[in-house]
Amino acid sequence: DGGITQSPKYLFRKEGQNVTLSCEQNLNHDAMYWYRQDPGQGLRLIYYSQIVNDFQKGDIAEGYSVSREKKESFPLTVTSAQKNPTAFYLCASRPGLPSYNEQFFGPGTRLTVL
Amino acid sequence: AQSVTQLDSQVPVFEEAPVELRCNYSSSVSVYLFWYVQYPNQGLQLLLKYLSGSTLVKGINGFEAEFNKSQTSFHLRKPSVHISDTAEYFCAVSETSGTYKYIFGTGTRLKVLA
Repeated sequence: DGGITQSPKYLFRKEGQNVTLSCEQNLNHDAMYWYRQDPGQGLRLIYYSQIVNDFQKGDIAEGYSVSREKKESFPLTVTSAQKNPTAFYLCASRPGLPSYNEQFFGPGTRLTVL
Repeated sequence: AQSVTQLDSQVPVFEEAPVELRCNYSSSVSVYLFWYVQYPNQGLQLLLKYLSGSTLVKGINGFEAEFNKSQTSFHLRKPSVHISDTAEYFCAVSETSGTYKYIFGTGTRLKVLA
């Protein structure tokens, strides 16, 4: 079955530690996205990538980093510079342009900082 | 720049009653419009989308939405809800002019009561 997988489902981190969230898709989609979801704030874009080896900052990129070395993979690193990292993180992908193509979402990773 | 407003953060409704979830958007350019649903601790899945043509769009699970250009609205409706419709619903827009970014609303939590 084609889809998007995110791992782990739950992640706990101590303050001051970096942590990497995995996102893999086998849909052959060009574009991939990372969103952060907090209660009452909807989805906020962290980073997105249109093609391999290219990515752009979203609205809340500070304290996060990404890489796109392979088409199917778009890992997100939450660094110690992110002051309030506890949140639900969603990865998404889509075929690319045209922009009426909808995004497909993974099941999410819930990160808790202890 | 675009923005999406979902005025109702929570909507309680009794089972088998009709429901309308409101979405208004602001944009200086043409947009595509989407409704997504999110069940607890899961990713988002597409309910329906408006690209062009008929302003009434039918989606999955008996939902439909009507695009109103003059009021810049895209309200979601269902004539008779079920307990299983309890979820969070997000409205989103994307420019028609070739963009990879979506703008999401803050979500409306629909709670269906027995």
